[in-house]
Amino acid sequence: AQTVTQSQPEMSVQEAETVTLSCTYDTSESDYYLFWYKQPPSRQMILVIRQEAYKQQNATENRFSVNFQKAAKSFSLKISDSQLGDAAMYFCAYTLNQAGTALIFGKGTTLSVSS
Amino acid sequence: DAGVIQSPRHEVTEMGQEVTLRCKPISGHDYLFWYRQTMMRGLELLIYFNNNVPIDDSGMPEDRFSAKMPNASFSTLKIQPSEPRDSAVYFCASRFGTGSSYEQYFGPGTRLTVT
Repeated sequence: AQTVTQSQPEMSVQEAETVTLSCTYDTSESDYYLFWYKQPPSRQMILVIRQEAYKQQNATENRFSVNFQKAAKSFSLKISDSQLGDAAMYFCAYTLNQAGTALIFGKGTTLSVSS
Repeated sequence: DAGVIQSPRHEVTEMGQEVTLRCKPISGHDYLFWYRQTMMRGLELLIYFNNNVPIDDSGMPEDRFSAKMPNASFSTLKIQPSEPRDSAVYFCASRFGTGSSYEQYFGPGTRLTVT
């Protein structure tokens, strides 16, 4: 069975600094997607970034980028130039590249940002 | 599109009462997922539908939980009778089945409190 592990329950960062959130996963499959979702206090789940396993290039979305290490089954999220609005819980998630598969989530990392 | 719509946003009920949570997926999406979020277990899949048909309900905790999708624009999750341990945030999500990165779009969630 596939599993997703986020080993950092809480992280903190100063405004304008860079922070990296860790995620590892376990799967025997080779074709899958990985995601980072943000959940602010409003509870809304917001997609931050996605990575296709067959792509070697790391995904980037503005201040957010990932370090995808397929062999190591690692998928970390880097937030550059952190802003107060980045404070939230962040979830790493996995799904197979097939129709009809659900997301498997890690337990989440709570990120606090201080000024 | 208004996104995935869930109602109610908050529900407080007494143990033993019936609770019905509602979801309207994004128009055109052919997959609908129900997730539950708790502090202890994180985000976990309860059930999902494809073209209104339940495909995998292995995550439904017990017979007290049931879900229906009578048409492409409406789904319900019912708990009868409710128990305090059912207190959680329940999310509905939808997505296209093919031609996408399998990104799921989440509703705002329903916070259920059973006293």
